[in-house]
Amino acid sequence: ETGVTQSPTHLIKTRGQQVTLRCSSQSGHNTVSWYQQALGQGPQFIFQYYREEENGRGNFPPRFSGLQFPNYSSELNVNALELDDSALYLCASSMREASGYGYTFGSGTRLTVV
Amino acid sequence: AQTVTQSQPEMSVQEAETVTLSCTYDTSESDYYLFWYKQPPSRQMILVIRQEAYKQQNATENRFSVNFQKAAKSFSLKISDSQLGDAAMYFCAGEQYGNKLVFGAGTILRVKS
Repeated sequence: ETGVTQSPTHLIKTRGQQVTLRCSSQSGHNTVSWYQQALGQGPQFIFQYYREEENGRGNFPPRFSGLQFPNYSSELNVNALELDDSALYLCASSMREASGYGYTFGSGTRLTVV
Repeated sequence: AQTVTQSQPEMSVQEAETVTLSCTYDTSESDYYLFWYKQPPSRQMILVIRQEAYKQQNATENRFSVNFQKAAKSFSLKISDSQLGDAAMYFCAGEQYGNKLVFGAGTILRVKS
Protein backbone atom coordinates (compact mmCIF):
# COMPACT_ATOMS: atom_id res chain seq x y z
CA GLU A 1 0.00 0.00 0.00
CA THR A 2 1.63 3.25 -1.12
CA GLY A 3 1.27 6.42 0.90
CA VAL A 4 0.75 9.98 -0.23
CA THR A 5 3.50 11.37 -2.44
CA GLN A 6 4.02 15.08 -3.04
CA SER A 7 6.29 16.80 -5.52
CA PRO A 8 8.44 18.75 -5.54
CA THR A 9 9.72 18.70 -1.94
CA HIS A 10 11.11 22.22 -2.12
CA LEU A 11 10.49 25.12 -4.47
CA ILE A 12 11.63 28.72 -4.74
CA LYS A 13 9.56 31.13 -6.80
CA THR A 14 9.55 34.86 -7.46
CA ARG A 15 6.66 37.09 -6.47
CA GLY A 16 4.08 37.26 -9.28
CA GLN A 17 4.96 33.85 -10.72
CA GLN A 18 2.70 30.82 -10.87
CA VAL A 19 3.33 27.43 -9.27
CA THR A 20 1.88 23.91 -9.55
CA LEU A 21 2.22 21.39 -6.75
CA ARG A 22 1.39 17.72 -7.22
CA CYS A 23 0.01 14.99 -5.02
CA SER A 24 -0.54 11.27 -5.52
CA SER A 25 -3.14 9.93 -3.15
CA GLN A 26 -2.89 6.72 -1.17
CA SER A 27 -4.12 3.64 -2.97
CA GLY A 28 -7.86 3.16 -2.36
CA HIS A 29 -8.49 6.77 -1.36
CA ASN A 30 -10.87 8.93 -3.43
CA THR A 31 -10.66 12.32 -1.70
CA VAL A 32 -7.78 14.78 -1.64
CA SER A 33 -7.47 17.82 0.61
CA TRP A 34 -4.86 20.56 0.52
CA TYR A 35 -3.60 22.51 3.52
CA GLN A 36 -1.28 25.48 3.93
CA GLN A 37 0.96 25.46 6.98
CA ALA A 38 2.81 28.69 7.74
CA LEU A 39 5.93 28.41 9.87
CA GLY A 40 5.09 27.68 13.50
CA GLN A 41 1.36 27.39 12.88
CA GLY A 42 -1.25 24.71 12.37
CA PRO A 43 -2.35 23.73 8.87
CA GLN A 44 -5.15 25.75 7.29
CA PHE A 45 -7.65 24.09 4.93
CA ILE A 46 -7.43 25.31 1.33
CA PHE A 47 -9.88 22.99 -0.46
CA GLN A 48 -10.95 19.40 -0.96
CA TYR A 49 -11.56 17.40 -4.12
CA TYR A 50 -13.88 14.44 -4.47
CA ARG A 51 -14.84 12.80 -7.77
CA GLU A 52 -12.82 15.42 -9.63
CA GLU A 53 -14.87 18.30 -8.25
CA GLU A 54 -14.13 20.86 -5.56
CA ASN A 55 -15.96 19.79 -2.43
CA GLY A 56 -15.41 22.53 0.10
CA ARG A 57 -13.07 25.49 0.25
CA GLY A 58 -11.41 27.43 3.01
CA ASN A 59 -10.76 31.15 3.21
CA PHE A 60 -8.35 31.36 0.29
CA PRO A 61 -8.61 33.65 -2.76
CA PRO A 62 -9.47 32.35 -6.26
CA ARG A 63 -5.84 32.47 -7.32
CA PHE A 64 -5.58 29.20 -5.39
CA SER A 65 -7.09 26.54 -7.63
CA GLY A 66 -6.90 22.81 -8.00
CA LEU A 67 -7.65 19.73 -10.01
CA GLN A 68 -8.31 16.09 -9.27
CA PHE A 69 -7.67 13.49 -11.93
CA PRO A 70 -9.48 10.19 -12.62
CA ASN A 71 -6.73 8.30 -10.75
CA TYR A 72 -7.49 10.56 -7.73
CA SER A 73 -4.16 12.38 -7.89
CA SER A 74 -4.37 16.14 -7.55
CA GLU A 75 -2.71 19.45 -8.34
CA LEU A 76 -2.68 22.72 -6.46
CA ASN A 77 -2.10 25.82 -8.57
CA VAL A 78 -1.28 29.22 -7.17
CA ASN A 79 -1.22 32.25 -9.47
CA ALA A 80 0.32 35.67 -8.87
CA LEU A 81 2.43 34.46 -5.97
CA GLU A 82 2.77 36.73 -2.95
CA LEU A 83 5.42 36.69 -0.24
CA ASP A 84 2.81 35.47 2.27
CA ASP A 85 2.27 32.34 0.17
CA SER A 86 5.57 31.05 1.51
CA ALA A 87 4.60 27.98 3.52
CA LEU A 88 4.53 24.19 3.69
CA TYR A 89 1.75 22.83 1.50
CA LEU A 90 0.35 19.53 2.69
CA CYS A 91 -1.76 17.12 0.72
CA ALA A 92 -3.95 14.60 2.52
CA SER A 93 -5.96 11.76 1.06
CA SER A 94 -8.89 9.91 2.56
CA MET A 95 -11.80 7.67 1.73
CA ARG A 96 -14.91 9.80 1.82
CA GLU A 97 -17.10 6.83 2.70
CA ALA A 98 -14.87 6.22 5.73
CA SER A 99 -15.05 9.73 7.12
CA GLY A 100 -13.66 10.06 10.60
CA TYR A 101 -10.95 7.51 10.13
CA GLY A 102 -8.33 10.15 9.59
CA TYR A 103 -6.35 11.34 6.69
CA THR A 104 -3.04 10.16 5.25
CA PHE A 105 -0.69 13.07 4.75
CA GLY A 106 2.23 13.55 2.44
CA SER A 107 5.51 15.12 3.55
CA GLY A 108 4.58 18.40 1.94
CA THR A 109 6.09 20.88 -0.48
CA ARG A 110 8.04 23.74 1.04
CA LEU A 111 7.34 26.82 -1.09
CA THR A 112 9.46 29.92 -0.69
CA VAL A 113 8.41 33.10 -2.50
CA VAL A 114 11.11 35.75 -2.86
CA ALA B 1 -17.78 27.37 12.87
CA GLN B 2 -15.36 25.06 14.59
CA THR B 3 -12.43 26.21 16.66
CA VAL B 4 -9.56 24.20 18.10
CA THR B 5 -7.42 25.69 20.83
CA GLN B 6 -4.12 24.38 22.12
CA SER B 7 -2.95 26.61 24.95
CA GLN B 8 0.47 25.03 25.53
CA PRO B 9 3.00 26.23 22.94
CA GLU B 10 5.68 23.96 24.37
CA MET B 11 5.93 21.09 26.86
CA SER B 12 8.87 19.10 28.22
CA VAL B 13 8.93 15.62 29.71
CA GLN B 14 11.61 13.37 31.08
CA GLU B 15 12.14 10.09 29.26
CA ALA B 16 9.90 7.33 30.72
CA GLU B 17 7.64 9.90 32.41
CA THR B 18 4.05 10.83 31.54
CA VAL B 19 2.92 14.05 29.90
CA THR B 20 -0.51 15.46 29.05
CA LEU B 21 -1.19 17.82 26.15
CA SER B 22 -4.35 19.94 26.30
CA CYS B 23 -6.88 20.82 23.62
CA THR B 24 -10.35 22.34 23.50
CA TYR B 25 -12.72 21.87 20.56
CA ASP B 26 -15.74 24.07 20.08
CA THR B 27 -18.50 23.21 17.60
CA SER B 28 -22.25 23.45 17.39
CA GLU B 29 -22.45 19.94 15.92
CA SER B 30 -23.16 16.92 18.06
CA ASP B 31 -21.42 14.37 15.89
CA TYR B 32 -17.78 14.83 14.97
CA TYR B 33 -14.36 13.24 15.20
CA LEU B 34 -11.27 14.39 17.05
CA PHE B 35 -7.68 13.52 16.32
CA TRP B 36 -4.20 13.99 17.59
CA TYR B 37 -1.54 14.20 14.91
CA LYS B 38 2.23 14.15 15.38
CA GLN B 39 4.50 16.14 13.04
CA PRO B 40 8.21 15.30 13.39
CA PRO B 41 10.92 17.29 11.60
CA SER B 42 10.27 15.11 8.53
CA ARG B 43 7.09 17.23 8.21
CA GLN B 44 4.70 14.34 7.59
CA MET B 45 1.59 14.41 9.75
CA ILE B 46 1.17 11.07 11.49
CA LEU B 47 -2.14 10.07 13.06
CA VAL B 48 -1.62 9.26 16.73
CA ILE B 49 -5.16 8.61 17.95
CA ARG B 50 -8.79 9.30 17.04
CA GLN B 51 -11.95 9.74 19.07
CA GLU B 52 -15.57 9.63 17.93
CA ALA B 53 -17.60 12.25 19.77
CA TYR B 54 -20.62 10.00 20.29
CA LYS B 55 -18.54 7.34 22.05
CA GLN B 56 -18.22 7.81 25.79
CA GLN B 57 -15.23 5.50 26.07
CA ASN B 58 -11.90 7.25 25.74
CA ALA B 59 -9.63 5.99 22.96
CA THR B 60 -6.34 4.25 23.74
CA GLU B 61 -3.48 3.29 21.43
CA ASN B 62 -0.61 1.63 23.27
CA ARG B 63 1.14 4.42 25.24
CA PHE B 64 -1.25 7.08 23.98
CA SER B 65 -4.66 7.76 25.47
CA VAL B 66 -7.16 10.60 25.43
CA ASN B 67 -9.41 12.15 28.03
CA PHE B 68 -12.47 13.36 26.14
CA GLN B 69 -14.96 15.43 28.10
CA LYS B 70 -17.64 16.43 25.63
CA ALA B 71 -19.53 18.88 27.81
CA ALA B 72 -16.32 20.67 28.76
CA LYS B 73 -15.15 20.54 25.11
CA SER B 74 -11.86 19.13 26.34
CA PHE B 75 -9.74 16.59 24.45
CA SER B 76 -6.37 15.97 26.09
CA LEU B 77 -3.65 13.53 25.03
CA LYS B 78 -1.70 11.54 27.59
CA ILE B 79 1.61 10.00 26.60
CA SER B 80 2.88 7.39 29.04
CA ASP B 81 6.45 6.10 29.27
CA SER B 82 7.67 8.91 27.02
CA GLN B 83 10.38 8.02 24.52
CA LEU B 84 12.90 10.16 22.66
CA GLY B 85 11.04 9.37 19.44
CA ASP B 86 7.94 11.08 20.81
CA ALA B 87 9.59 14.48 20.44
CA ALA B 88 7.65 16.37 17.77
CA MET B 89 4.96 18.97 17.20
CA TYR B 90 1.55 17.67 18.23
CA PHE B 91 -1.64 18.96 16.66
CA CYS B 92 -5.16 18.52 17.89
CA ALA B 93 -7.74 18.49 15.07
CA GLY B 94 -11.47 18.11 14.62
CA GLU B 95 -13.57 16.94 11.69
CA GLN B 96 -17.26 16.91 10.96
CA TYR B 97 -18.57 14.33 8.54
CA GLY B 98 -16.96 14.57 5.13
CA ASN B 99 -15.58 17.97 5.94
CA LYS B 100 -12.27 19.60 6.47
CA LEU B 101 -9.91 19.10 9.35
CA VAL B 102 -9.59 22.10 11.66
CA PHE B 103 -6.25 22.19 13.46
CA GLY B 104 -5.02 23.86 16.60
CA ALA B 105 -1.80 25.88 16.69
CA GLY B 106 0.21 22.92 17.95
CA THR B 107 2.32 22.01 20.97
CA ILE B 108 6.04 21.30 20.71
CA LEU B 109 6.93 18.31 22.86
CA ARG B 110 10.53 17.97 24.01
CA VAL B 111 11.71 14.72 25.59
CA LYS B 112 14.75 14.90 27.88
CA SER B 113 17.07 11.94 28.33
